[in-house]
Amino acid sequence: KQEVTQIPAALSVPEGENLVLNCSFTDSAIYNLQWFRQDPGKGLTSLLLIQSSQREQTSGRLNASLDKSSGRSTLYIAASQPGDSATYLCAVIISAGTYKYIFGTGTRLKVLA
Amino acid sequence: NAGVTQTPKFQVLKTGQSMTLQCAQDMNHNSMYWYRQDPGMGLRLIYYSASEGTTDKGEVPNGYNVSRLNKREFSLRLESAAPSQTSVYFCASSQGRGGTDTQYFGPGTRLTVL
Repeated sequence: KQEVTQIPAALSVPEGENLVLNCSFTDSAIYNLQWFRQDPGKGLTSLLLIQSSQREQTSGRLNASLDKSSGRSTLYIAASQPGDSATYLCAVIISAGTYKYIFGTGTRLKVLA
Repeated sequence: NAGVTQTPKFQVLKTGQSMTLQCAQDMNHNSMYWYRQDPGMGLRLIYYSASEGTTDKGEVPNGYNVSRLNKREFSLRLESAAPSQTSVYFCASSQGRGGTDTQYFGPGTRLTVL
């Protein structure tokens, strides 16, 4: 059974710091992987989707990498800002009849001004 | 363009009561989903609808029923609410069956069952 783990559960950093969020999964047979952002009391917003044939995707200050063989993905945030404070969730997408998302429990990030 | 909307935003029920959570999307998406989010656990899929007129069980379907009323609307019904169903419920939609299609999420419904 596919399991997705995100460590640490919470992280506080000073503004301007570069940081890395980690996501690990137990079964390398994934279709794609997606990173989401969740603000308190809100729904999820998609940040980056990495197809299984890709090794990384970039959007602005965000860079996500994928290493299927080791069961790991990282989300790199450059020059962090207080507005980046949120919970970051990764989800592996598996093909099982239809495509199913298996979510991690998230990393709660706080960027201090 | 409102995206995905959910009603109500908050609800308190007593054990045994029933209710329906409503979801609508205005993006002409084919697929719609219902998830629940519990502390310390990732989002878990309750039911999904790959297209109008079809519904399928997800990971945790027990105690729930769904209706894909039309292409826009996908409702989730709790027939006899239990405290274990206290959770935050999210509706989502995607253009295709998922995979390479981004899922768009609603703001959630916070449900408490006493």
